[in-house]
Amino acid sequence: DAGVIQSPRHEVTEMGQEVTLRCKPISGHDYLFWYRQTMMRGLELLIYFNNNVPIDDSGMPEDRFSAKMPNASFSTLKIQPSEPRDSAVYFCASSLAVAGEQFFGPGTRLTVL
Amino acid sequence: AQKITQTQPGMFVQEKEAVTLDCTYDTSDPSYGLFWYKQPSSGEMIFLIYQGSYDQQNATEGRYSLNFQKARKSANLVISASQLGDSAMYFCAMREKIGANSKLTFGKGITLSVRP
Repeated sequence: DAGVIQSPRHEVTEMGQEVTLRCKPISGHDYLFWYRQTMMRGLELLIYFNNNVPIDDSGMPEDRFSAKMPNASFSTLKIQPSEPRDSAVYFCASSLAVAGEQFFGPGTRLTVL
Repeated sequence: AQKITQTQPGMFVQEKEAVTLDCTYDTSDPSYGLFWYKQPSSGEMIFLIYQGSYDQQNATEGRYSLNFQKARKSANLVISASQLGDSAMYFCAMREKIGANSKLTFGKGITLSVRP
């Protein structure tokens, strides 16, 4: 398997623009997680899905953030409008079970100017 | 209180020596799991080792072992025979049940530098 795939790897945008991050989990994994990593706050869970259904979105910072999982092999994290404080590395991870080890994608480094 | 505490700001170890990276945790969930991940400078997160709260023996994976002391709520990572490629950030994480959901919480991480 190719592992968790994320795109783009790097994104530079201007404040106010819409940003869409994409993730393809490992085939057969029922759980998908979105994390954000910053120097100040470390690695934070934003939202996770089970069988394409959002289970816990308590980590989503505000309404500007939204995540979808239209099918078992694809998820998006959208920020609209983006702000400079959204600059971070966004990781997608997947696992077979909620209690199991999570396999991380390479991350998307987002810079909002 | 912090769920996961990693207080060592940065660690240095001589190549081929062993090193211990500290992690303490706090939870009221009796069935929890502890993980260690490695993040090299390239940025990816690499799973290293897992310990379940009911596991009787300390987990081991090659050169990695987990010194699990349940009463003290600590789960230190021991890396034996350090290699230059072990230089990276290391994150301790805990999976616990919160309400109906299960959540993985990460510590702030520890930087390990292996000297030749």
